[in-house]
Amino acid sequence: KNEVEQSPQNLTAQEGEFITINCSYSVGISALHWLQQHPGGGIVSLFMLSSGKKKHGRLIATINIQEKHSSLHITASHPRDSAVYICAVIGLNNTDKLIFGTGTRLQVFP
Amino acid sequence: NAGVMQNPRHLVRRRGQEARLRCSPMKGHSHVYWYRQLPEEGLKFMVYLQKENIIDESGMPKERFSAEFPKEGPSILRIQQVVRGDSAAYFCASSPSSNYGYTFGSGTRLTVV
Repeated sequence: KNEVEQSPQNLTAQEGEFITINCSYSVGISALHWLQQHPGGGIVSLFMLSSGKKKHGRLIATINIQEKHSSLHITASHPRDSAVYICAVIGLNNTDKLIFGTGTRLQVFP
Repeated sequence: NAGVMQNPRHLVRRRGQEARLRCSPMKGHSHVYWYRQLPEEGLKFMVYLQKENIIDESGMPKERFSAEFPKEGPSILRIQQVVRGDSAAYFCASSPSSNYGYTFGSGTRLTVV
């Protein structure tokens, strides 16, 4: 079993819909990251969280440390949001290395 | 600030050749991480370096792979005697300090033919 699990694996949506991507992890962590990867492209760091909630534009990330769960929300989704969204954690007592989920592939149709 | 620069973007090597992948971290960042993304798989940690030191290489294959981050110049990931299974995207990330957040490079896509 992976230490970081994401759901769903694939997600399609119509433009304007509210999107939620979930991440559960089984290890103690010092921080959790949400990353975005476009096809054939680089990786962009969206958020780093250790507690609570962060918002940037139409993106919102939340984390519940007790439940070992995080969610990434996209409000008013747009076709340019189509990408793979990756959850990654830094385990406690780890040397800052990221442990990745397998990603959620999002396609937003106009 | 140009961000994390990786070169080359694409690299083709024949089996048995050497591959050298370069990563210049952001200015002021002294922590460098290398990750590998095999086709249709997730990202996996390879190695974590600070200037002139390897901090954690627990994700590096035992043979043929090495990494360095010299006092001057970029970090280098070196793969000797490449095999088809080394074909992957290799990403570098840098950070100014521990648990601060990362900036990723655009990756080097290695194809072994």
